[in-house]
Amino acid sequence: ETGVTQTPRHLVMGMTNKKSLKCEQHLGHNAMYWYKQSAKKPLELMFVYNFKEQTENNSVPSRFSPECPNSSHLFLHLHTLQPEDSALYLCASSQGGAGDLNTQYFGPGTRLTVL
Amino acid sequence: QQQVKQSPQSLIVQKGGISIINCAYENTAFDYFPWYQQFPGKGPALLIAIRPDVSEKKEGRFTISFNKSAKQFSLHIMDSQPGDSATYFCAASIDYKLSFGAGTTVTVRA
Repeated sequence: ETGVTQTPRHLVMGMTNKKSLKCEQHLGHNAMYWYKQSAKKPLELMFVYNFKEQTENNSVPSRFSPECPNSSHLFLHLHTLQPEDSALYLCASSQGGAGDLNTQYFGPGTRLTVL
Repeated sequence: QQQVKQSPQSLIVQKGGISIINCAYENTAFDYFPWYQQFPGKGPALLIAIRPDVSEKKEGRFTISFNKSAKQFSLHIMDSQPGDSATYFCAASIDYKLSFGAGTTVTVRA
């Protein structure tokens, strides 16, 4: 496997379910990111982890809970979601730092549908 | 507050034509400006990027023009091909974060 992988690619869940999204990067990067992409909206940064430490939480509701056990893996735990949370969730990684060290490489995303 | 403003929202161009997408920013601390290309069902992929001390960068049919004094930059797609039909995002970087524009959907008609 190369680059950034995400599983599952598609997920349908009810509002009372608990599920997790998984991201793995094979690039030796130090920073990992979760983004939400909704139709007709810019990419929304949700969380940033730099060297496994969470450095950014963009006022994301507590029903989204990130976990970064090591520099290569990132999870997004989901519980009691709302239909408006339906979106494409993208994971990205970068070497971290200034300039082109912050080139972010994206996974294919998980298409989440909340019923 | 969106830190990077992108226009147009969508454009249609004939095969062989030129596509131009414009972006503007306010924060002069941004130090790197990448463009991403996204096809349906895929994540964004880095297309081309520029540093603010460079006024133009060309890679194949893709060119970034950068105007530091105006705080504007643009992507030109020359000789547009149907395979270029995608959504394009400009972005600006500071520290280890990117601020993205809203995206431009480009449709190239054969």
